[in-house]
Amino acid sequence: ETGVTQSPTHLIKTRGQQVTLRCSSQSGHNTVSWYQQALGQGPQFIFQYYREEENGRGNFPPRFSGLQFPNYSSELNVNALELDDSALYLCASSSWGGSQPQHFGDGTRLSIL
Amino acid sequence: QKEVEQDPGPLSVPEGAIVSLNCTYSNSAFQYFMWYRQYSRKGPELLMYTYSSGNKEDGRFTAQVDKSSKYISLFIRDSQPSDSATYLCAMKRAADYDMRFGAGTRLTVKP
Repeated sequence: ETGVTQSPTHLIKTRGQQVTLRCSSQSGHNTVSWYQQALGQGPQFIFQYYREEENGRGNFPPRFSGLQFPNYSSELNVNALELDDSALYLCASSSWGGSQPQHFGDGTRLSIL
Repeated sequence: QKEVEQDPGPLSVPEGAIVSLNCTYSNSAFQYFMWYRQYSRKGPELLMYTYSSGNKEDGRFTAQVDKSSKYISLFIRDSQPSDSATYLCAMKRAADYDMRFGAGTRLTVKP
């Protein structure tokens, strides 16, 4: 069974730039959620994708956007990067349904200079 | 007041000790309760997943949920140095897309 994989592992950008992070879901999972984890904090929900559509969104501005592809992989795009966007970005996959547990990848560490 | 409260520690124990990790929460509608373990520079790994109140045991790990007190616990028996990590509690309602996390407790088990 292949777990959740994310790329790249680490990225350095400057303020105002745009970034794309990628996630391949665990085999058998059709739902992908993205979380932001600041240093010393728990993950915060950004949004979830199911059937290639955004299914729910946390308290993040529209410059955070995403995509899901027919093979259930997903992208997180962040425009107009700000210093506060520096964080670990985590992707979690699950089967569809509120009772299904979410399994995380190792994340992409994004540093904004 | 945060929706999920978790003592950040750090917590340091000798090898073989019983470890107790706890979270409190304010939303009585939470139904699913999770514990994740996160090693440095890694993503959270699901340890325990429970529904509603009660106990669940898996090897050296026991999760307890007390919905009347809005309190959940994770016990680790015979702790090992390899248990040294940050432990995150998380919870959600069935209708929610997302999990709500505590800030994590950093645990060190000394040989």
